[in-house]
Amino acid sequence: QSVLTQPPSVSGAPGQRVTISCTGSSSNIGAGYDVHWYQQLPGTAPKLLIYGNSNRPSGVPDRFSGSKSGTSASLVITGLQAEDEADYYCQSYDSSLSGFWVFGGGTKLTVL
Amino acid sequence: QVQLVESGGGVVQPGGSLRLSCAASGFTFSSYGMHWVRQAPGKGLEWVAFIRYDGSNKYYADSVKARFTISRDNSKNTLYLQMNSLRAEDTAVYYCAKDPVGYSSSPDPYNWFDPWGQGSLVSVSS
Repeated sequence: QSVLTQPPSVSGAPGQRVTISCTGSSSNIGAGYDVHWYQQLPGTAPKLLIYGNSNRPSGVPDRFSGSKSGTSASLVITGLQAEDEADYYCQSYDSSLSGFWVFGGGTKLTVL
Repeated sequence: QVQLVESGGGVVQPGGSLRLSCAASGFTFSSYGMHWVRQAPGKGLEWVAFIRYDGSNKYYADSVKARFTISRDNSKNTLYLQMNSLRAEDTAVYYCAKDPVGYSSSPDPYNWFDPWGQGSLVSVSS
């Protein structure tokens, strides 16, 4: 059971827009901690996609955007492309007794 | 460019030990906190351990506390993870990852992981 909850899978056709949600609680996202997103292509290491809720590292296309509100965050991908097919993970920090850095369970994006 | 290269993975019997290494290059290693994150086969990511840039503070996930030890040798630009009393559920790819900002407070709750190494597979099986 992951501390942050993501849908197991989402899908969309090329050119479409998809949204991946990340739901937390008052001890992590709701406590004001930032949310970060990673993309993991098949057989590779995770790569930073969004940091600080909505910031893109250099080299990440502006088709990827992030936002945060309350106890949740979202990753939006517009103009879906075949190479976007990957697993996506959200990450934050949890201030509970056994918390530290926490991840969502991951969402598999399928480009139809 | 920043590069992290893990090594030391392999097959080990339950109850055994293994030490992973992460060789860092392309940045001032002694200025950055470092993490270990693992991923069991077909599963999601799990943060494992963190060490402050100077080695003075260390934090562990409950699942590995008292069994795993994170350490670093800043003179060798290398991060380590000593894993003892290994269990089947420790089977995973282990990634090392760098803090984004140097000399971060410990722990910095706003930090993320960037970049990541390519990973080292640890398989615990009899």
